[in-house]
Amino acid sequence: QVQLQESGPGLVKPSETLSLTCTVSGASVSSGNYFWSWIRQPPGKGLEWIGYIFHSGSTNYNPSLKSRVTMSVDTSKNHFSLKLSSVTAADTAIYYCARDNIGAGGPSDYWGQGTLVTVSS
Amino acid sequence: EIVLTQSPGTLSLSPGERATLSCRASQSVSTTYVAWYQQKPGQAPRLLIYGAFTRATGIPDRFSGTGSGTDFTLTISRLEPEDFAVYYCQQYVSSAEYSFGQGTKLEIK
Repeated sequence: QVQLQESGPGLVKPSETLSLTCTVSGASVSSGNYFWSWIRQPPGKGLEWIGYIFHSGSTNYNPSLKSRVTMSVDTSKNHFSLKLSSVTAADTAIYYCARDNIGAGGPSDYWGQGTLVTVSS
Repeated sequence: EIVLTQSPGTLSLSPGERATLSCRASQSVSTTYVAWYQQKPGQAPRLLIYGAFTRATGIPDRFSGTGSGTDFTLTISRLEPEDFAVYYCQQYVSSAEYSFGQGTKLEIK
């Protein structure tokens, strides 16, 4: 059973860096069959793709966030991480991690439950 | 950037009726890279359809996807009470910028 679980602070101050980790069980982040993604959803709004990372460390980021986003993967801990710098209130959202199934073309077939991050002083 | 526009914004139907949800892309997208997700309140999205036509594991056959080029459709043949939710389309062309539509809310009439 594949499971993903986001973890990290629920409150971040403006101008600081948001840091989240997604711990994966039932699948390996070392597999070449998957990308590992982050998606966010502001309260009451739609989904926004943030980007993905491959086990090799190669990444693909949303151009609108690229200057502030860093993703990393730790194969020894079977988790991957997101850092978003210089946050503002507009970055307040539920952040989801997901597994993208390359063999199926790349859809996100497993998702974490999501974690709400609020940006406020 | 490929922009996905979903219509209608809200669809009001009764259980047992047929639902037709539309997703239009700003440029042609290979059917390989189109998916539909269902999201219920307080839950993460769930993959319904990928590759424009293929149902994900465990998805009932009342859900079907069609389309090509810039126009894609999700059809729910006979609505069950648990189908009332928000639906999103997504394009995931590899090595490019992924994107989601803005969503269609399917509500009980």
